[in-house]
Amino acid sequence: EIVLTQSPGTLSLSPGERATLSCRASQSVSSTYLAWYQQKPGQAPRLLIYGASSRATGIPDRFSGSGSGTDFTLTINRLEPEDFAVYYCQQYGRSPPLTFGGGTKVEIK
Amino acid sequence: EVQLVESGGGLVQPGGSLRLSCAASGFTLSGYEMNWVRQAPGKGLEWVSYIRSRGTSINYADSVRGRFTISRDNAKNSLYLQMNSLRAEDTAVYYCTRGNWFDSGGPFGAFDIWGQGTTVTVSS
Repeated sequence: EIVLTQSPGTLSLSPGERATLSCRASQSVSSTYLAWYQQKPGQAPRLLIYGASSRATGIPDRFSGSGSGTDFTLTINRLEPEDFAVYYCQQYGRSPPLTFGGGTKVEIK
Repeated sequence: EVQLVESGGGLVQPGGSLRLSCAASGFTLSGYEMNWVRQAPGKGLEWVSYIRSRGTSINYADSVRGRFTISRDNAKNSLYLQMNSLRAEDTAVYYCTRGNWFDSGGPFGAFDIWGQGTTVTVSS
């Protein structure tokens, strides 16, 4: 099983600042199979990034994904008030189980 | 509008059973892989089960294998999760999700559509 470790657990930032979220895998993950999701309280998660760096439909370009191998990053440029939420990375490679990271909470400072 | 709507959650005693349903609309279910994902109260996301578009391949998380059964009826645009021998640790919001290959070649896909979730509580 591929374990995904997200850091930091909580990120305290102000609107307009840049957020950098990390996702580290216990073994190499093809960048084809790495996704990021956003979840707000009381809501279902929403797909932001697939294939490590491709934005899903309707996702603003202030969200960007990068990385390869075991280290992946989600960057949110110029945080908007609606961006404060919990973010999860996920690997959906060729073999189960599919796994999620533990999440990073981006909170208002 | 592309949509997934779950139903069937509720309160059940340990050892009991529940059947969750997920109704798809706005797209043809038979064209997509489908999954169930759960989230225990205050916790992160846990993948539960996967079923291929035609039902020819199925996978389960170790935590539910042998107790849960995923199935689908493409003619009815519906996905199901039969949950038996329920335990307190199965208490969670259960989400139905659509897997989209985009350009990855599969087999699972990123989860591009999520339902609103249905709550399962296992307690005496």
